[in-house]
Amino acid sequence: GAVVSQHPSRVICKSGTSVKIECRSLDFQATTMFWYRQFPKQSLMLMATSNEGSKATYEQGVEKDKFLINHASLTLSTLTVTSAHPEDSSFYICSASQGSNQPQHFGDGTRLSIL
Amino acid sequence: AQSVTQLDSHVSVSEGTPVLLRCNYSSSYSPSLFWYVQHPNKGLQLLLKYTSAATLVKGINGFEAEFKKSETSFHLTKPSAHMSDAAEYFCVVSADTGGFKTIFGAGTRLFVKA
Repeated sequence: GAVVSQHPSRVICKSGTSVKIECRSLDFQATTMFWYRQFPKQSLMLMATSNEGSKATYEQGVEKDKFLINHASLTLSTLTVTSAHPEDSSFYICSASQGSNQPQHFGDGTRLSIL
Repeated sequence: AQSVTQLDSHVSVSEGTPVLLRCNYSSSYSPSLFWYVQHPNKGLQLLLKYTSAATLVKGINGFEAEFKKSETSFHLTKPSAHMSDAAEYFCVVSADTGGFKTIFGAGTRLFVKA
């Protein structure tokens, strides 16, 4: 149980392209979804927290206009990297939780490479 | 405020020997603690969690962890390492600080030698 599907697993695109990443909870309703960024050999950096039907809460230093998050339903959240540039290349991971203080269940991540 | 420190950036063991991955935490609240494992280019998988019930927590794949409040520790152990255990391990603390805040440790890379 508690499966989270993240798609696509890998994206390679040109600079200036916008990229959308989907995160779905397949067998449970996620009241909260999280988006992380992970640099090589480093821990996860929380970018934003989103609750279904409300605006995402962004961490300090994360540009909300650059990283658009939509949490349209209890099973789907999307992250759109707008006008991506090489410095946005990274491993992006989503997670979903059924409530406060409950474990987060993670997707398999998306490797984004901007040329 | 809360924080989590994984004391070793990497640990190397031989197959069949015990594993110890150390984690210390700091929290002004009643925290929940978790251990996750990450294999290369993958997301994180929950190994086990502590949420104020039994202090010795058993997880998947033979891992367990003991919550020691007096030592503010939550070390992860396994009696006998397997080659498939080689991965990155993250200790995570979460608490209601007026809104739940989750903090990830820096990670410990476990190497398992044949």
